[in-house]
Amino acid sequence: AQKVTQAQTEISVVEKEDVTLDCVYETRDTTYYLFWYKQPPSGELVFLIRRNSFDEQNEISGRYSWNFQKSTSSFNFTITASQVVDSAVYFCALSERIYNFNKFYFGSGTKLNVKP
Amino acid sequence: SQTIHQWPATLVQPVGSPLSLECTVEGTSNPNLYWYRQAAGRGLQLLFYSVGIGQISSEVPQNLSASRPQDRQFILSSKKLLLSDSGFYLCAWKGIANTGELFFGEGSRLTVL
Repeated sequence: AQKVTQAQTEISVVEKEDVTLDCVYETRDTTYYLFWYKQPPSGELVFLIRRNSFDEQNEISGRYSWNFQKSTSSFNFTITASQVVDSAVYFCALSERIYNFNKFYFGSGTKLNVKP
Repeated sequence: SQTIHQWPATLVQPVGSPLSLECTVEGTSNPNLYWYRQAAGRGLQLLFYSVGIGQISSEVPQNLSASRPQDRQFILSSKKLLLSDSGFYLCAWKGIANTGELFFGEGSRLTVL
């Protein structure tokens, strides 16, 4: 079974629209971490945010906001007033501790196309 | 500050040829190191991880191997490449604490012809 599911394969929006990228995860651990990464066309993955399982406060950073809900095992990412530079593939990830090692599970990614 | 660098950035190799991708991390000690592969248009697949020198764990059986000859050096190798080895390879590191995110290198794009 998939540990991290990003059901939206590709989304297209027009500039200035708001867009939400969905992420659903599965874990039996009580302590875990959730992440979002951005992969622009250059290919390198850029870290955006980390949340731990004990902190359900939503977070806002400029035009970006994240909604973490343990009750639904979701960690959704919203971009407000999207811009062309937001066009990229976005990955959601889950980290679990296994002995002395953190294993990271990535979703399949959501490709966001922002059109001018 | 910590940096991660991998090379080469692009590689075109014939089937059956060997492979060596190298990754180095600077500015940290005893990092956890990872190799991921991303097939075209798909997600990230964990190939190998390492918690210390000479300690390599493989996630999936495959035509590749990894080595960690030094604390901050992680190498991905193959003796004979297959067409299915084509993809985008990403090296990443993380500190040893439970918390913390992965930091990725620039990636190496491998095309096997």
